Amino acid sequence: EVQLVESGGGLIQPGGSLRLSCAASGFSVSNNYMSWVRQAPGQGLEWVSVIYTSGDTYYVDSVKGRFTVSRDNSQNTLYLQMNSLRAEDTAVYYCARDQHRYASGTYQLDYWGQGTLVTVSS
Amino acid sequence: DIQMTQSPSSLSASVGDRVTITCRASQGISTYLNWYQQKPGKAPRLLIFASSSLEFGVPSRFSGSGSGTDFTLTINSLQPEDFATYYCQQSYGVPRTFGQGTRVEIK
Repeated sequence: EVQLVESGGGLIQPGGSLRLSCAASGFSVSNNYMSWVRQAPGQGLEWVSVIYTSGDTYYVDSVKGRFTVSRDNSQNTLYLQMNSLRAEDTAVYYCARDQHRYASGTYQLDYWGQGTLVTVSS
Repeated sequence: DIQMTQSPSSLSASVGDRVTITCRASQGISTYLNWYQQKPGKAPRLLIFASSSLEFGVPSRFSGSGSGTDFTLTINSLQPEDFATYYCQQSYGVPRTFGQGTRVEIK
């Protein structure tokens, strides 16, 4: 069974750092694109970052230079290192498998974790 | 970046109604368009991928169509469990942008 479990969220002061983890089971994170998506309180979904199977990484402009996505293949875990946190980074952060379907050639977020809440406040 | 615009932002409907939600991309994205359903306090759920392909386990009353810049999600015979917020998302390029969401409420 495919499962994603996030952890690492919490209350952090502006300017601080936090590392989120996403433990995967039932599949290999190294063989899949993996994304982070966030949702501010009462707001819509915002795509944050993706790591490709090649190790290439991409970010939404608002987090470039502050957030870093990585993975530990031995632990089958995805990470999001968040530095220089701002109040506007307050959100529930979801990790999701960004699966490639060969028949259609497309990518879609087919499995999601339960989310972890990050609150940036003094 | 590709901008995704959904309409309407919210709608009220009754059980049994047919509901249509549209999503427009700021540039052509072929059929690289996904639809998700989200209920309060829950993670999103993939409903439709590649514009019109139904995800495994999703009821057949959900359907999607479109190509290029204009896409549609249709729910035939709305059921009580379908009251939720729906999001489109493009996977044509990065960032993989979402629409702002459409909240489907009970009339």
